[in-house]
Amino acid sequence: DVKVTQSSRYLVKRTGEKVFLECVQDMDHENMFWYRQDPGLGLRLIYFSYDVKMKEKGDIPEGYSVSREKKERFSLILESASTNQTSMYLCASRDSKTGNQPQHFGDGTRLSIL
Amino acid sequence: AQSVTQLDSHVSVSEGTPVLLRCNYSSSYSPSLFWYVQHPNKGLQLLLKYTSAATLVKGINGFEAEFKKSETSFHLTKPSAHMSDAAEYFCVVSDRLTGGSYIPTFGRGTSLIVHP
Repeated sequence: DVKVTQSSRYLVKRTGEKVFLECVQDMDHENMFWYRQDPGLGLRLIYFSYDVKMKEKGDIPEGYSVSREKKERFSLILESASTNQTSMYLCASRDSKTGNQPQHFGDGTRLSIL
Repeated sequence: AQSVTQLDSHVSVSEGTPVLLRCNYSSSYSPSLFWYVQHPNKGLQLLLKYTSAATLVKGINGFEAEFKKSETSFHLTKPSAHMSDAAEYFCVVSDRLTGGSYIPTFGRGTSLIVHP
């Protein structure tokens, strides 16, 4: 079974802090994703990585950056946290070798910015 | 451009009655379509997927969905709701290519409430 692990379930940070959210997958998947989930808005794509060191902006990249130095790890960085970045953050991975495969999700990190 | 509309933000049913969660999509190509379920404080779990084989797709936990190209719909159904089905459900279309990989687009979700 694919396992996607997000390093923290709950995180509380202060405005202006630099925040790192980590995600690790154990199935050698090429694709990894970061989403934020807000009530009534569904999942919105922040960044996407289709392979090591490769990244693409999603629909809402402002205020975020990412790092993918190793295939299994995809980090989301909030450069200077703001209160409007309080949200649930979900990481996903996917095998891209065989067509349009489903994603596998972590359990999420609920981030509060005070 | 691809998009997904989940027609109901909330659906309320009684235990033992049928479930219908509606999803319409737009896509320029032949899309792949997915339904995911999310229980409270958990990540999303795949229920089923359509990838241009049979139009009636069976998933886990008794759910199924029918792909109707003429109606651009992919509604999720279950004959008899169980209390454990109470969750958030997401319809997803995937046909947008970036860097050689498909980018999924999520609907806004439907919250299924099951009454005893």
